[in-house]
Amino acid sequence: EIVLTQSPGTLSLSPGERATLSCRASQTVSSTYLGWYQQKPGQAPRVLIYGTSGRATGIPDRFSGSGSGTDFTLTISRLEPEDFAVYYCQQYGYSPYTFGQGTKLEI
Amino acid sequence: VQLVESGGGLVQPGGSLRLSCAASGFTFRKYTMSWVRQAPGKGLEWVSGIRGSGDSTYYMESAKGRFTISRDNSKNMLFLQISSLRAEDTAVYFCAKPLTPGRLQSSFDFWGQGTLVTVSS
Repeated sequence: EIVLTQSPGTLSLSPGERATLSCRASQTVSSTYLGWYQQKPGQAPRVLIYGTSGRATGIPDRFSGSGSGTDFTLTISRLEPEDFAVYYCQQYGYSPYTFGQGTKLEI
Repeated sequence: VQLVESGGGLVQPGGSLRLSCAASGFTFRKYTMSWVRQAPGKGLEWVSGIRGSGDSTYYMESAKGRFTISRDNSKNMLFLQISSLRAEDTAVYFCAKPLTPGRLQSSFDFWGQGTLVTVSS
């Protein structure tokens, strides 16, 4: 199975700052099959990015995704108070469709 | 789109449970559906998926033999039967709809609110 390792585990930033979250895969993942989710306490995850860089419906343009091969990045250009949450990457190219362990973005 | 899970609860080790997910607001039979679980305070884990027709099913390794995914397209329902439950199966179980119809390999654009399964004596 493909293991996704996210870094850092916790990221402490302030509103208005830029956040860069990393996701590294244990083997090559097609860029078509890499997504990012946001999860707030007590809520279901929400898709932000699909296919490495496609922004899901309703997602603000301050969220962007990039990467290829084994290294992928989620960037939040200017943090808003509502962006503080846990973020997960997921690969859905090879079953089982694994998730990273998450990055907690905190104020 | 709405996904509503039910069927969770407290179960003794070795017991069984059937989770349900009622889907509405989209053409259910066209979508491969999945179950994803999240242990308390932990990350997300894809558990199982099933093609729209129901003729193909997929499982994570530790779910093979104990978990059975199924669906009833006439009632827009998704199910997950879990047997021989273990403490490590304790989690919130979410049903999830893919962004792209007809594809298992797709990110999930809608999730239910989840149903909690607790395995304890």
